[in-house]
Amino acid sequence: DTGVSQDPRHKITKRGQNVTFRCDPISEHNRLYWYRQTLGQGPEFLTYFQNEAQLEKSRLLSDRFSAERPKGSFSTLEIQRTEQGDSAMYLCASSLARAGLYEQYFGPGTRLTVT
Amino acid sequence: GQNIDQPTEMTATEGAIVQINCTYQTSGFNGLFWYQQHAGEAPTFLSYNVLDGLEEKGRFSSFLSRSKGYSYLLLKELQMKDSASYLCAVRAEKRNYGQNFVFGPGTRLSVLP
Repeated sequence: DTGVSQDPRHKITKRGQNVTFRCDPISEHNRLYWYRQTLGQGPEFLTYFQNEAQLEKSRLLSDRFSAERPKGSFSTLEIQRTEQGDSAMYLCASSLARAGLYEQYFGPGTRLTVT
Repeated sequence: GQNIDQPTEMTATEGAIVQINCTYQTSGFNGLFWYQQHAGEAPTFLSYNVLDGLEEKGRFSSFLSRSKGYSYLLLKELQMKDSASYLCAVRAEKRNYGQNFVFGPGTRLSVLP
């Protein structure tokens, strides 16, 4: 396994359009996280899954954002009616929920530009 | 609320030692992480502290004081490739198996020859 992958790497869209991003975690990892990062800032937590269950969702995640992990493997993050303020790097990370192991492995990110 | 503070920028010389501080105020503290992030790349894990004290890992060491809400990352024998942002993150455990990770804004370290 080569690590966490994300697709696409870059997305340019017009305001008002919907976009969907995909994350494939490391295969044996049961926890998956989505973050948003803007220039000069640390990642902001959006949501996290353990297997297929979405266990936590940030207040930052408005009604326009939805995430799924239908079979406990890959995950999708959808943004509806995009706004210019949604422009950011969207990072996915995965980890293995085991005692003493909390390290998250990050994917390369999807850079979203809303024009 | 949850808050993590780090210096915005630091500069150091190749071969020197630098200490990057992090202070935090979070609920349900359950571990503190340090990540390195080069420009345009994803964060990569450096260290994890859950108990007070120093964790050493090669040229990098991380210290935690839970009572003071304080951590630092110590980088020794600095190399040019250490120029990057260093992110402090706290794992906040919540009830019903919820959790989240709160990241600080990052400290941008520039290593000069």
